[in-house]
Amino acid sequence: EADIYQTPRYLVIGTGKKITLECSQTMGHDKMYWYQQDPGMELHLIHYSYGVNSTEKGDLSSESTVSRIRTEHFPLTLESARPSHTSQYLCASSALKALGANVLTFGAGSRLTVL
Amino acid sequence: AQSVTQPDIHITVSEGASLELRCNYSYGATPYLFWYVQSPGQGLQLLLKYFSGDTLVQGIKGFEAEFKRSQSSFNLRKPSVHWSDAAEYFCAVGAQGTDKLIFGTGTRLQVFP
Repeated sequence: EADIYQTPRYLVIGTGKKITLECSQTMGHDKMYWYQQDPGMELHLIHYSYGVNSTEKGDLSSESTVSRIRTEHFPLTLESARPSHTSQYLCASSALKALGANVLTFGAGSRLTVL
Repeated sequence: AQSVTQPDIHITVSEGASLELRCNYSYGATPYLFWYVQSPGQGLQLLLKYFSGDTLVQGIKGFEAEFKRSQSSFNLRKPSVHWSDAAEYFCAVGAQGTDKLIFGTGTRLQVFP
């Protein structure tokens, strides 16, 4: 039972449209992440946040932007979608564990297709 | 730099057979290691993790993994596979004090009856 929710699950949209992928978590986690996943490839971190008003770019350059106005909400926006943005986008959150590395909880993903 | 290699892109086993999925990592210090499973159309679910201590780690759904420092490996095993185990499996490595996990490219497991 996921405590992190992504909408929409599937989206097919035309080139040039603005899209927002929603991500919400009910666990009170401070840290949230967006990963991009393509078939046969590793997951790539594109954005992360340590808390409200904190956003950082990940290892993979992305034309998308994110915001963190509320702890539980971490939406991702593409101002002008292109076919190269077609991918699956996974949202995750974590609470920093005392031992160190974070254990991530993932949402079910948003599969975006840009025609 | 940290990296993770999953040499097997696709593995097929019969139901009831044993399973071993390979994972090799590259990291200068003791890593934190994870295995996640992704069922079709779903997000990733944590199977197990290794932070320290006993190098044989037990996870959910009957899976276990063994950390072998000398081989830089963290292979996932299950003694008897069920049809519901068909999914994609991802190994990941992290480091203390970092917020980022490095994932492998995944191994797709197919189970035949």
